[in-house]
Amino acid sequence: DIQMTQSPSTLSASVGDRVTITCRASQNINIWLAWYQHKPGKAPNLLIYRASSLESGVPSRFSGSGSGTEFTLTISSLQPDDFATYYCQQYNTYSTFGQGTKLEIK
Amino acid sequence: EVQLVESGGGLVQPGRSLRLSCTGSGFTFGDYGLSWVRQAPGKGLEWVGFNRGKPYGGATQYAASVKGRFAISRDDSKSIAYLQMNSLKPEDTAIYYCSRHLSDGGSCYQNWGQGTLVTVSA
Repeated sequence: DIQMTQSPSTLSASVGDRVTITCRASQNINIWLAWYQHKPGKAPNLLIYRASSLESGVPSRFSGSGSGTEFTLTISSLQPDDFATYYCQQYNTYSTFGQGTKLEIK
Repeated sequence: EVQLVESGGGLVQPGRSLRLSCTGSGFTFGDYGLSWVRQAPGKGLEWVGFNRGKPYGGATQYAASVKGRFAISRDDSKSIAYLQMNSLKPEDTAIYYCSRHLSDGGSCYQNWGQGTLVTVSA
């Protein structure tokens, strides 16, 4: 099974900050990685697929990069609506989620 | 507008069965793969299983934690997918989401339902 490890588990930041979340795969997953935003009581929301493709309707301050085993999600300038939990997901072999990164207001 | 609506959740005793439904609208149901994803209380997201859909071979796969107990089926003529859950355990307690794959067949989740809560307890 492919394991996905996100870091950090919790991130404290302020509006306007640039933040980066990292996701590492236990084996090569090429570019088959997605990122989701999840808020309490709501369904998760797809942000990025194929490691760096921005889903339609998602603000351009979100970007993804990486391939192989190392990936990053970057939010260029945090907005109040961005405070949520973020998950990576590999879909190279079946599917696995990372454990999540909770983005909190500093 | 693409919509997915889950139903069938509730309180069930350990060892019993439950069947969840996922009804789709706003798209050609049979053209897409579908997955079930769950979130236990206070935990992260966990993939449960998927069906790739006929255009992509129709394969069904499951997470190790549910393999042999859960089964995914679908009736494309009715735009409904099912998750049959047998031999339920307390650790299966979670919100269960139905999700639609990308239009290119990639099994990440472009659309989600609102989720249905399953509680396994005596």
